[in-house]
Amino acid sequence: GAVVSQHPSRVICKSGTSVKIECRSLDFQATTMFWYRQFPKQSLMLMATSNEGSKATYEQGVEKDKFLINHASLTLSTLTVTSAHPEDSSFYICSAGRADGPAEAFFGQGTRLTVV
Amino acid sequence: AQKITQTQPGMFVQEKEAVTLDCTYDTSDQSYGLFWYKQPSSGEMIFLIYQGSYDEQNATEGRYSLNFQKARKSANLVISASQLGDSAMYFCAMREGRGYSTLTFGKGTMLLVSP
Repeated sequence: GAVVSQHPSRVICKSGTSVKIECRSLDFQATTMFWYRQFPKQSLMLMATSNEGSKATYEQGVEKDKFLINHASLTLSTLTVTSAHPEDSSFYICSAGRADGPAEAFFGQGTRLTVV
Repeated sequence: AQKITQTQPGMFVQEKEAVTLDCTYDTSDQSYGLFWYKQPSSGEMIFLIYQGSYDEQNATEGRYSLNFQKARKSANLVISASQLGDSAMYFCAMREGRGYSTLTFGKGTMLLVSP
């Protein structure tokens, strides 16, 4: 089946630094990928839709300058948390799907970000 | 109004018993899809089962079945013969419209399976 790989799975960074999270579709081309954020014991909240070759579409309330999304190829989308602060600590997870394949969205393994 | 409602924050079931996790949805689209995902403590999202709005038969995948009642807008997940490894968070989700688009998730139900 389709596989989405997300890296890193865990990262600890100092406040004020930037962190890049990668999301790769391993065996299919994903023109659209989605980035979600999940706080402890809560549901997944969509942050943005990443479109290959164009600007990402951000959900209301998500700072586009803080959460930079780049979808440079059909198999790779990156989320960069810029000038991270402790309140950015969260679980970030990406998903992608095949337009010509099964209905389900395939999720990466997720990245647990801790900002200290 | 919430698009996906899971009213059970937590559920307990004994091993080998069946359990039903509730999910109701709200949409005005005629074409939509309903999904169930399992999220263990590791955080990964594991796809379990899918039901399309035009599917006349309830979806089944091994021990998982989806009780789809379109008129009531409910899509309950039934897990038969629970196993200890089924203990996890379960999310119901919906995709509206045709094509590939984002999923809207419910708040989830924590299932604990006891020996």
